[in-house]
Amino acid sequence: DADVTQTPRNRITKTGKRIMLECSQTKGHDRMYWYRQDPGLGLRLIYYSFDVKDINKGEISDGYSVSRQAQAKFSLSLESAIPNQTALYFCATSDPGTSGRATGELFFGEGSRLTVL
Amino acid sequence: GEDVEQSLFLSVREGDSSVINCTYTDSSSTYLYWYKQEPGAGLQLLTYIFSNMDMKQDQRLTVLLNKKDKHLSLRIADTQTGDSAIYFCAEAPGNQFYFGTGTSLTVIP
Repeated sequence: DADVTQTPRNRITKTGKRIMLECSQTKGHDRMYWYRQDPGLGLRLIYYSFDVKDINKGEISDGYSVSRQAQAKFSLSLESAIPNQTALYFCATSDPGTSGRATGELFFGEGSRLTVL
Repeated sequence: GEDVEQSLFLSVREGDSSVINCTYTDSSSTYLYWYKQEPGAGLQLLTYIFSNMDMKQDQRLTVLLNKKDKHLSLRIADTQTGDSAIYFCAEAPGNQFYFGTGTSLTVIP
């Protein structure tokens, strides 16, 4: 089983609909992130959370909201989807590191492809 | 956000060396990273280099870091068709990761 699981993997929706993308992890990491990937633009950070009570905006948070329901769960919502939110969305986790292995590596889910018509 | 730049495409013949380049803006990252994204998958860490190092070698991979010019490169020796993927460099000053645009590597048999 994957350590970072995203659902759904693919979704097609219409403009104006509310969409939720869910992420769960079994790595026991406190830090969780949502990114979107667009061709030629790389990955851009939408929101991140360093623990259950901590939510922070990334560089492109407009039009999105998040909920950290538990240490293992971090969901991304589009309250009213628009076509330019068509993208591949990734959830990721990280461990800031303990003594001896502080690389801060990100662990990614397999992505959720969202198409907004 | 920070600017991390890469060229978008690279094609090489199987068996040749591939060199993927990256420039970044923030010199405060403790580590700099290379991630690999295979088709239909998420990103996976390929290798990383500590910021006080100039070079790191790991089997077919060589990472070079020029801190003065803020330039990072990834060399893949004896490139194989299985190396075809998108490669992202990333820096992580403070609490956030900043990724480059990704370089799509195509290996021609």
